[in-house]
Amino acid sequence: DAGVTQSPTHLIKTRGQQVTLRCSPKSGHDTVSWYQQALGQGPQFIFQYYEEEERQRGNFPDRFSGHQFPNYSSELNVNALLLGDSALYLCASSLYGTDTYNEQFFGPGTRLTVL
Amino acid sequence: KQEVTQIPAALSVPEGENLVLNCSFTDSAIYNLQWFRQDPGKGLTSLLLIQSSQREQTSGRLNASLDKSSGRSTLYIAASQPGDSATYLCAVGSSNTGKLIFGQGTTLQVKP
Repeated sequence: DAGVTQSPTHLIKTRGQQVTLRCSPKSGHDTVSWYQQALGQGPQFIFQYYEEEERQRGNFPDRFSGHQFPNYSSELNVNALLLGDSALYLCASSLYGTDTYNEQFFGPGTRLTVL
Repeated sequence: KQEVTQIPAALSVPEGENLVLNCSFTDSAIYNLQWFRQDPGKGLTSLLLIQSSQREQTSGRLNASLDKSSGRSTLYIAASQPGDSATYLCAVGSSNTGKLIFGQGTTLQVKP
């Protein structure tokens, strides 16, 4: 049973560039959430996708956008990168509409460094 | 606004010791609470999930309790081992929508 996968593992960009991160949910899951984790901090919720629509959004600027595909995989796009965007980006998947809906399974993350 | 706090931020214990990690939250109207383990630079591994109607969950040497009225959860680790060294994060789900609010974590070091 495949768990949550993310690509790439590491990424180095310069300020002002754009980046796309990818996530495939755990087999059988249909909901994807993205989190940003700065060094030494707990993860912060960015947004969540279900049925190819953004369902919830955290306190992040519009430079952060996403997409969900019919196969439930998802992308996170960040435009006009800032130094402060350097972080570990985590993807979590879950199954909507069940008693265990809120149990989140996380991927290994993508380490983004902005120079 | 829900806020989650974990104390202490770091903990060092000798191997074999039983220990308790603490998590507190400001709004008792939670849907559930989840404990995670994170190794350096890695993703999160789910340890235990407690639904709001439950008081505790157990998995092996781990036991997590939940007291919604006091806004507290504890993670008990029995007979700690060096392999337990990691950062432990607690996260609160405030509704059935899947969004989690995390504490900053407790970094545990178990010395041989």
